[in-house]
Amino acid sequence: DIQMTQSPSSLSASVGDRVTITCRASQTISSQLNWYQQKPGKAPKLLIYAASSLHNEVPARFSGSGSGTDFTLTIGGLQPEDFAIYYCQQSDSPPLTFGGGTQVEMK
Amino acid sequence: EVQLVQSGAEVKKPGESLKISCKGSGYSFSTYWIGWVRQMPGKGPEWMGIIFPGDSDTRYSPSFRGQVTLSADKSISTAYLQWSSLKASDTAIYYCARQRYSFHAQKFYGMDVWGQGTPVAVSS
Repeated sequence: DIQMTQSPSSLSASVGDRVTITCRASQTISSQLNWYQQKPGKAPKLLIYAASSLHNEVPARFSGSGSGTDFTLTIGGLQPEDFAIYYCQQSDSPPLTFGGGTQVEMK
Repeated sequence: EVQLVQSGAEVKKPGESLKISCKGSGYSFSTYWIGWVRQMPGKGPEWMGIIFPGDSDTRYSPSFRGQVTLSADKSISTAYLQWSSLKASDTAIYYCARQRYSFHAQKFYGMDVWGQGTPVAVSS
């Protein structure tokens, strides 16, 4: 199985801050990397697929980059509704494993 | 509206069997993979496997193979996740989600539509 490692596991930030989360794959996965946002009691929501493509109706302050083994999710200007847990997921080969998550908390 | 609607919460005893469902609407159910994801209390999501309702082609995570069975009935646009003998460690929320796949590129992409989740509690 491909292992996905996210860092940091949690971070504190303020509204308006630029936030960066990283995800590393245990082997190369090309650009087959997805990002999700999950709020308490809700299902995860797809934000970005194929490393850098924004899913429908996702605000443009979210962006993704990277290829191979190293990937980044950036929130350019944190909004109150962005405080949540973020997960990466590789979709290069089954099992399509998730990272351990990054909790973005209010400072 | 494209949506997946899952069956309701379950409370079971260890050793009992269970089958939960996921009904799709608003799109061609038989032409998209459906994935299942486990989320244990306070933990991250775990990908369990996927099924293609058009021909019931199935891929399991090694962690779940032999522990659960995926199935689908395309005539009623419904996918299923079942257990033959539940354990206390199966206590979790189970989500179904539409798993995007490009037949042209032969690549999987994100899980773009999610069900609301089915909580399963297993306790004696």
